[in-house]
Amino acid sequence: EAGVAQSPRYKIIEKRQSVAFWCNPISGHATLYWYQQILGQGPKLLIQFQNNGVVDDSQLPKDRFSAERLKGVDSTLKIQPAKLEDSAVYLCASSLGGGPDEQYFGPGTRLTVT
Amino acid sequence: AQSVTQLGSHVSVSEGALVLLRCNYSSSVPPYLFWYVQYPNQGLQLLLKYTSAATLVKGINDFEAEFKKSETSFHLTKPSAHMSDAAEYFCAVSTGTASKLTFGTGTRLQVTL
Repeated sequence: EAGVAQSPRYKIIEKRQSVAFWCNPISGHATLYWYQQILGQGPKLLIQFQNNGVVDDSQLPKDRFSAERLKGVDSTLKIQPAKLEDSAVYLCASSLGGGPDEQYFGPGTRLTVT
Repeated sequence: AQSVTQLGSHVSVSEGALVLLRCNYSSSVPPYLFWYVQYPNQGLQLLLKYTSAATLVKGINDFEAEFKKSETSFHLTKPSAHMSDAAEYFCAVSTGTASKLTFGTGTRLQVTL
């Protein structure tokens, strides 16, 4: 079974530029998550999708971050414009459903904002 | 609100020694508790989870954790450390039907010869 795929793996941009990350979840998984992991911290949920709909985006900085999940499969996370404090690893995860279902994580995208 | 506290950002053990990584949780409702491991430049991998069944949970690679409600703890143990166990370990909590995970700050495990 293929795992969660993410691209790119690494990205370096200057502040005020924009960037997009892509995630392909495990086939059949209805729930998709985007987490932000700042160096030295645990992952923090940015947004959760159930199929096409947003379940939780309470910690998403909506003035600069946006995310979509078209057709309930792939998802993109965008930052525009980027700030220095956005430097982090962005992890995508998926699960069959919600609740205590195991979340499977992708390898992440390491973003450096200079 | 739910939260977890991991005591000790770095733990060092000798190969073959007992591994003990501490996690305490805070939740107003019965929690689901998880331990994840993260190897360098990789995503997180689930070691084990507690979902209100048996309080002693066995996971992969001989790891286990015990849910203690009276102590609000979910410490991770392994009887004998191996060099390959060196990684970052995260404790996480979720509640009810919401699957949002709240992670601790992580404990880096170092295994020495």
